[in-house]
Amino acid sequence: QLQLQESGPGLVKPSETLSLTCSVSGGSIFTSDYYWGWIRQPPGKGLEWIGRIYYSGYSFYNPSLRSRVTTSLDTSRNQFSLKLSSVTAADTAVYYCARVYCSGNDCYLDHWGQGTLVTVSS
Amino acid sequence: SFELTQPPSVSVSPGQTASITCSGDELGGKYACWYQQRAGQSPVLIIYQDTKRPSGIPERFSGSNSGNTATLIISGIQAMDEADYYCQAWDDNNSFVFGTGTKVTVL
Repeated sequence: QLQLQESGPGLVKPSETLSLTCSVSGGSIFTSDYYWGWIRQPPGKGLEWIGRIYYSGYSFYNPSLRSRVTTSLDTSRNQFSLKLSSVTAADTAVYYCARVYCSGNDCYLDHWGQGTLVTVSS
Repeated sequence: SFELTQPPSVSVSPGQTASITCSGDELGGKYACWYQQRAGQSPVLIIYQDTKRPSGIPERFSGSNSGNTATLIISGIQAMDEADYYCQAWDDNNSFVFGTGTKVTVL
């Protein structure tokens, strides 16, 4: 049974960098079958895609966040990570990690972590 | 940019059928999927590739996609189906696009 678990600071100061890690159990992230993604949800609002990373390290990002986002893999720990720089209050959200299945021109998120709330405040 | 629009809310009595639409330009030419998000929980994939149900998803959930609209149907709705529902598609810029979300209330 695949499980994903987000971890990281729950409070980040404005202008600093948000850093989160997703630990994966029940399957290896070093696989060509899937990507690994990040999604966020501001309190009371809808879902926003952040980015995805392939086992090769190749990443795709939401164009609106691309200048501030970096994703990476740690295959030895079966984890992948998100960094979002220069955060503001608008980045306050529940952040989810997820497994991404892509086939041709279709991608969807078939397993999600439980999410972690990150608040940006001084 | 590609956008997906859903009605903000749908209300239905137990045992009845709920229909949730997701509208986007030429959406029928893409695959749509649907997620259920119960209060305080993470989203769960309930429909992918327009009509397919992942293992463990009840048969009362079904989907269709044609023209500019994808539709999620919940037949014989139950109290446990009260949740927010999001559609999602994949746009030409290699980006996920989520719908605006629909809150389903079981009266």
